[in-house]
Amino acid sequence: EAGVAQSPRYKIIEKRQSVAFWCNPISGHATLYWYQQILGQGPKLLIQFQNNGVVDDSQLPKDRFSAERLKGVDSTLKIQPAKLEDSAVYLCASSTNEKLFFGSGTQLSVL
Amino acid sequence: GDSVTQMEGPVTLSEEAFLTINCTYTATGYPSLFWYVQYPGEGLQLLLKATKADDKGSNKGFEATYRKETTSFHLEKGSVQVSDSAVYFCALSDGTGNQFYFGTGTSLTVIP
Repeated sequence: EAGVAQSPRYKIIEKRQSVAFWCNPISGHATLYWYQQILGQGPKLLIQFQNNGVVDDSQLPKDRFSAERLKGVDSTLKIQPAKLEDSAVYLCASSTNEKLFFGSGTQLSVL
Repeated sequence: GDSVTQMEGPVTLSEEAFLTINCTYTATGYPSLFWYVQYPGEGLQLLLKATKADDKGSNKGFEATYRKETTSFHLEKGSVQVSDSAVYFCALSDGTGNQFYFGTGTSLTVIP
């Protein structure tokens, strides 16, 4: 069974630039999550989708972050414009039967 | 709201030592409890889970027991190996299976 795919693996940008991350969840998983993991901290939920609808985006900084899952499968997370404090690993996960499956993440460095 | 608190790290142990990583939780309903592990350069993987009070989750020699009376889910292993070096995250889901809350992680280094 293929796992959760994410790309790119690494991204380095300057502050005020834009960046986008892509996620392909495990086939058949209706629920998809984007987490932000700052160095030394646990994953923090940014947004949760159920199929193509948003279940929870209460912690998403909506002035600069956006996410979509138009066809209920792949998802993209965008940051525009990026700030220094956005440097983190962005994890995508999908779930079934109360089990979370994570991708390897995208490590973002904002200079 | 629901939350998880786990012991601060980093933890350094010699090979074959006994490991305990403490985790306590706060929840309003009937959560399920998890331990996730993150090996260097990899994503988080489910290590073990327990879905109700007194359940014991186990995997790869690791164990954790869901203690409702002490709201705890401590991770233990009787004899650690170098390959166990990783960051361990305690987590809970809110019972619906949709919302997950993570602790801050505990880094474990096992030296030969």
